[in-house]
Amino acid sequence: SQQGEEDPQALSIQEGENATMNCSYKTSINNLQWYRQNSGRGLVHLILIRSNEREKHSGRLRVTLDTSKKSSSLLITASRAADTASYFCASNTGNQFYFGTGTSLTVIP
Amino acid sequence: NAGVTQTPKFQVLKTGQSMTLQCAQDMNHNSMYWYRQDPGMGLRLIYYSASEGTTDKGEVPNGYNVSRLNKREFSLRLESAAPSQTSVYFCASSGLAGGLGQFFGPGTRLTVL
Repeated sequence: SQQGEEDPQALSIQEGENATMNCSYKTSINNLQWYRQNSGRGLVHLILIRSNEREKHSGRLRVTLDTSKKSSSLLITASRAADTASYFCASNTGNQFYFGTGTSLTVIP
Repeated sequence: NAGVTQTPKFQVLKTGQSMTLQCAQDMNHNSMYWYRQDPGMGLRLIYYSASEGTTDKGEVPNGYNVSRLNKREFSLRLESAAPSQTSVYFCASSGLAGGLGQFFGPGTRLTVL
């Protein structure tokens, strides 16, 4: 299986704290993407980082990529209750995407 | 602009029955995808279509067939449903093959008894 892995599987933090989740993947990639999934809904694209980039920011999101370790991390700063969701990384190899197993984030108000 | 739409939202089948899941996008995207999501497994690609007229197998294609009817529509067919196909099915589309983010439909929750 080319499926990636994420850790932790579950994360519970207080509102205002930062949340960090990590992703490992198995193949060479064109880019790596992060998605959010609220309970019972489809996935929503958050941010994309290309294989030649090491760090990218978008609002409260910061993504890093280490292609030598085949790993990425997503940092959500100043978390809010509305950030409660599952987060997935997806490694892209052209036409195909390989998703990680997801991190379930709970932000306690 | 509806994005990606899927029908039906829910379906219960008996083992051996067949059904087709429908997906349509109105964003003029070239690439479309079908995934299944199982607890603890994340999403796994069943089939994808990089452009109108082409389809390719993903990671878990067995037991499924697809049709890219036109640029907008991409259907997934289960010819003889099995309990192992109980899952949530998501359709997605992308403007460039992997170059941009994917847009997902709301999902179809399928139970096979």
